[in-house]
Amino acid sequence: EAGVAQSPRYKIIEKRQSVAFWCNPISGHATLYWYQQILGQGPKLLIQFQNNGVVDDSQLPKDRFSAERLKGVDSTLKIQPAKLEDSAVYLCASSTLFVGKSDTQYFGPGTRLTVL
Amino acid sequence: AQTVTQSQPEMSVQEAETVTLSCTYDTSENNYYLFWYKQPPSRQMILVIRQEAYKQQNATENRFSVNFQKAAKSFSLKISDSQLGDTAMYFCAFMKPRSNYGGSQGNLIFGKGTKLSVKP
Repeated sequence: EAGVAQSPRYKIIEKRQSVAFWCNPISGHATLYWYQQILGQGPKLLIQFQNNGVVDDSQLPKDRFSAERLKGVDSTLKIQPAKLEDSAVYLCASSTLFVGKSDTQYFGPGTRLTVL
Repeated sequence: AQTVTQSQPEMSVQEAETVTLSCTYDTSENNYYLFWYKQPPSRQMILVIRQEAYKQQNATENRFSVNFQKAAKSFSLKISDSQLGDTAMYFCAFMKPRSNYGGSQGNLIFGKGTKLSVKP
C-alpha cells in the first residue's frame, strides 16, 4: 500500500513570493490534515478536511494561507505572500473515517520551506 | 484546551540499554487516545505506539512499551534494547476521538519532542 505522498520535498523562496504544496493521501482515506512544524516544535494543525469539506481551519492564517481538496482526494496548500516566519516543515497526514475508534494518522515525508 | 508536555528536550542511551521518555498531558476529557511518534532526520513521522484511555492495560509493540497513568495524566515510553536506528525525535501526542458529526476532534496535539541519541 502506497503511503502519503508530498511534493516538493524542499522549497526556497523570497519573502512576499507565493508557494504551493501538494499532498496525495493513502487511497481510501477520507480525512486529510495539513500540519505546520516549526523548527524545535511539534507539529501544529493548520487545516483538516473530511472528503472535500473543511472540518477545522481555526488555526489557518487565512489572510495568507489557503487550502483545497476539490475532488476529495489530493490537496494543495498555498501561501501567498510568504513571510519569514512561515519557514517550517509542512506535513500532510491522512486517516480513515472510523468514528469512535482510534484512527491513526499516517504522515507524508513533509516539505521543508525556507523563506529568505 | 488540551496540552502535552515533554520535559526532556534531549536524552541519550547506550546501545542495548533501556531508556524512558516522559510525557504528561492536561485534559478534561475522559475518552481520548495517546500516541508516540518517531521522527528521524528524514522528517517522516512514524507511529511507534498508541494507547486508548479506556484501556487499563499498557500498550506494547515489540521493544516499545508505555506506562499509562490516567489519574496522573502521564504517558511515558520505554524503549528496551535500544538500537542505533532508534535515534530520532520522539513526539507524544493527544487526540480526542472523532464524533459522529466530525469537528475538530481527530486532530493530534503534539508535545515539543525529545531528541533521543543512541550511542554505540
